[in-house]
Amino acid sequence: KAGVTQTPRYLIKTRGQQVTLSCSPISGHRSVSWYQQTPGQGLQFLFEYFSETQRNKGNFPGRFSGRQFSNSRSEMNVSTLELGDSALYLCASSLMADSGANVLTFGAGSRLTVL
Amino acid sequence: GQQVMQIPQYQHVQEGEDFTTYCNSSTTLSNIQWYKQRPGGHPVFLIQLVKSGEVKKQKRLTFQFGEAKKNSSLHITATQTTDVGTYFCAGRAGGTSYGKLTFGQGTILTVHP
Repeated sequence: KAGVTQTPRYLIKTRGQQVTLSCSPISGHRSVSWYQQTPGQGLQFLFEYFSETQRNKGNFPGRFSGRQFSNSRSEMNVSTLELGDSALYLCASSLMADSGANVLTFGAGSRLTVL
Repeated sequence: GQQVMQIPQYQHVQEGEDFTTYCNSSTTLSNIQWYKQRPGGHPVFLIQLVKSGEVKKQKRLTFQFGEAKKNSSLHITATQTTDVGTYFCAGRAGGTSYGKLTFGQGTILTVHP
């Protein structure tokens, strides 16, 4: 079955602009998480959505926002871009079963460069 | 908030040598997961440990979960060049399987042939 699809894969923006990244989870997966990856900071948790509701949120400024649609697809938006927002943004989906832990399946990521 | 520390940050080994990375949480974990990210790739799930003191093996990889469920380790026996990549541990706070998954900083493994 198809994996997690992220679009666009690469994009270049300038400071002050905004960007929207898209994530289509694995069919049947209802939970989507977003992570920011930079060379020195590892994987930083942004937010997690389940059934269109934000279930968890990381420690990022309000410029970072997200949402999930009824078909489980998710988008994240970063407004007023700063140079430090340059990173690989990874989306991961999981089943979010009622019992047991949830394993993440990551997409290939969207690499954002802010000039 | 919950912190997950991983050491070492970098490890360079000769092919055939063993490798170990350690993961420590500031809080008790309900479970811990390990992921591998190849250079230029994305993290891929390796394994999940749930029980206190649990040990699991995958060929040359051995994963352990501490008795107190606050630490974990990944040991690779006789490394190969295909083991190159960044290994991440990720833990969920105890008491729930729905808490956010907090990743360690990762250990970058380089294997010299």
